[in-house]
Formats: sequence, structure tokens, C-alpha cells
Amino acid sequence: QSVLTQPRSVSGSPGQSVTISCTGTRNDVGGYKYVSWYQQHPGKVPKVMIYDVSKRPSGVPDRFSGSKSGNTASLTISGLQAEDEADYYCCSGAGNSWVFGGGTRLTVL
Amino acid sequence: EEQLLESGGGLVQPGGSLRLSCAASGFSISNFVMNWVRQAPGRGLEWVSLISANGGTTYYADSVKGRFTVSRDNARNTVFLQMNSLRAEDTAMYHCVKQMNNCFDFWGRGTLVTVSS
Repeated sequence: QSVLTQPRSVSGSPGQSVTISCTGTRNDVGGYKYVSWYQQHPGKVPKVMIYDVSKRPSGVPDRFSGSKSGNTASLTISGLQAEDEADYYCCSGAGNSWVFGGGTRLTVL
Repeated sequence: EEQLLESGGGLVQPGGSLRLSCAASGFSISNFVMNWVRQAPGRGLEWVSLISANGGTTYYADSVKGRFTVSRDNARNTVFLQMNSLRAEDTAMYHCVKQMNNCFDFWGRGTLVTVSS
């Protein structure tokens, strides 16, 4: 199974917006609507922020949004806050398996 | 309160075996697909295996296929991962994860597996 491609790092100032991309193939991101995004703070377990490309679980702020175009999914965080600083991972269904992206470190300047 | 408690990790030599357990509380696993996801120290997430709600269907990452076996005992509310022929690259924190809404909805804190001579 392939690893989805994410930028290693992104950064933004408080109040700004950032977008993290997640590029796969037609065998994963492009072929399924089961794209999800996870936030992981140091020493903590991952937390789902987006599922089914663009749906937010209960309790996740609406500053977090997801989308997909072709083989690339995106996570946008608007109105950046200090507590958003974390690692973010995308994940996609891929037939009888799941594949993750390599992870993106978000730094809030 | 939902909880997933993994156990069974430890230090093992290359070629050795370990059996991980994941005991759930606060909910019944019988309604859910369950997964194992691992994270090597300082590295990203890697999906390892999935087992259907009734245990009749299992899937594995290519990296563990033929060496790892996932199983479950819904009566005991527990999921297992039998790991054989362990390699250094299997060193990681292994998380038991509940799947819901086509995503990894709830994660256990994990059990650390270290493969080293």
C-alpha cells in the first residue's frame, strides 16, 4: 500500500488560514469518498477532525474543513489558534485497506 | 466512558512472537469493525490490520501479511493481534482503534513493541 503525499510542514500566524494537501491516486483518494483527517498533539493519540472528505465529528470546530478534487484531498484550518499546532495526517480507503499520509507538522507562528 | 486498553507489548528478539490484546470497556465491540494502527517512534501512522464486526473478514497491510493475525472475542469484548516472525521494522506503538463512519473514531493509548537483539 502506498503512503499518501503530504507536505512535511506548514505554518501560519494566529487568525490566518492554512491548507494541507494530501495527494494519492485513483486507487485511494481519487477512488473513494472515505478520506479522513487526524490531529495529533505530542504524546497524545490521534483525534479525527474530518471524515468522509468533508464531514466534521461532533465537537470539532467549524474552523476545520475538508475537500477533495481528483486525487488530492485538502484540510483547511481557518482562524488559526495556538492550540492548532500539531501533526496532521490524512487517511483514505484503498480497497480492502487504509492508507495514511506521511503527516504534516503545523506550526502556529 | 469508552476505553480501549492495549497490552502485551514488550521487547522481543528478531524472529520472535508477541500477542497483543485490546480490552474494550464502556461499549460493545460487537457492533464495530476494529483496526490496529501502529506508529514507529518519531514516525507517522501506518494501518496494520482490520477485522469485521463478526470476525469473519480480516485484512492486512502488505508489510505484515502472512506474519500477523487479527482475531476477536466479542463475548470478552477483546481484540487480539498475533505477531510472528517479528522484524526490527515492526518496532512501534500499536494502537487498537474503533472504526465508525468510515474513519478511525476512537483510539487506545497503545502498547509499545520493540524488536531488537
